[in-house]
Amino acid sequence: DAGVTQSPTHLIKTRGQHVTLRCSPISGHKSVSWYQQVLGQGPQFIFQYYEKEERGRGNFPDRFSARQFPNYSSELNVNALLLGDSALYLCASSLTSGTPYGYTFGSGTRLTVV
Amino acid sequence: GENVEQHPSTLSVQEGDSAVIKCTYSDSASNYFPWYKQELGKRPQLIIDIRSNVGEKKDQRIAVTLNKTAKHFSLHITETQPEDSAVYFCAATVMEYGNKLVFGAGTILRVKS
Repeated sequence: DAGVTQSPTHLIKTRGQHVTLRCSPISGHKSVSWYQQVLGQGPQFIFQYYEKEERGRGNFPDRFSARQFPNYSSELNVNALLLGDSALYLCASSLTSGTPYGYTFGSGTRLTVV
Repeated sequence: GENVEQHPSTLSVQEGDSAVIKCTYSDSASNYFPWYKQELGKRPQLIIDIRSNVGEKKDQRIAVTLNKTAKHFSLHITETQPEDSAVYFCAATVMEYGNKLVFGAGTILRVKS
């Protein structure tokens, strides 16, 4: 049984560019959450989606957006990249919205903005 | 909103000794407290969790205690081994509000053999 898969694993972008990160949840999981982990810090919540609807949003600028597809996979989009957006972006999936059961992280996408 | 503070930021112990990491949270509504272990370059992995209706939970060499009155919870690792070396994160959330985990800043644990 596959775990949470994220792509790409590494990415280098230039300031001002746009990036799309992808996440496939564990089979049967309907909730996907996105986190940003800056080097040396704990993960910070960006978004949660459940059944294709946004269920939570963290304290991030409007340059960050996300969506969830009918197959429960998700995309995180970041526009107008800044150097400070360099981080490990983690996706986590869980069965439902209101329970942490089976809350599992993917291995992340390492984004470097130069 | 919720704020989680974690101490110490680094911890070095001799193999076989115990390690304790402490976290405090601010939102008295928080009712779920997981602990994650993250090895270098890898994803955070859940090692133990506790709900607010329980004061202590053990799983082999790992235990977590929760003091709701004081709003703090701790991770205890006994008989530490070199493979316990990693970064440990505590987190807190209100389960009913969705899966937004608020993480502490992390503790780098080094087990010296």
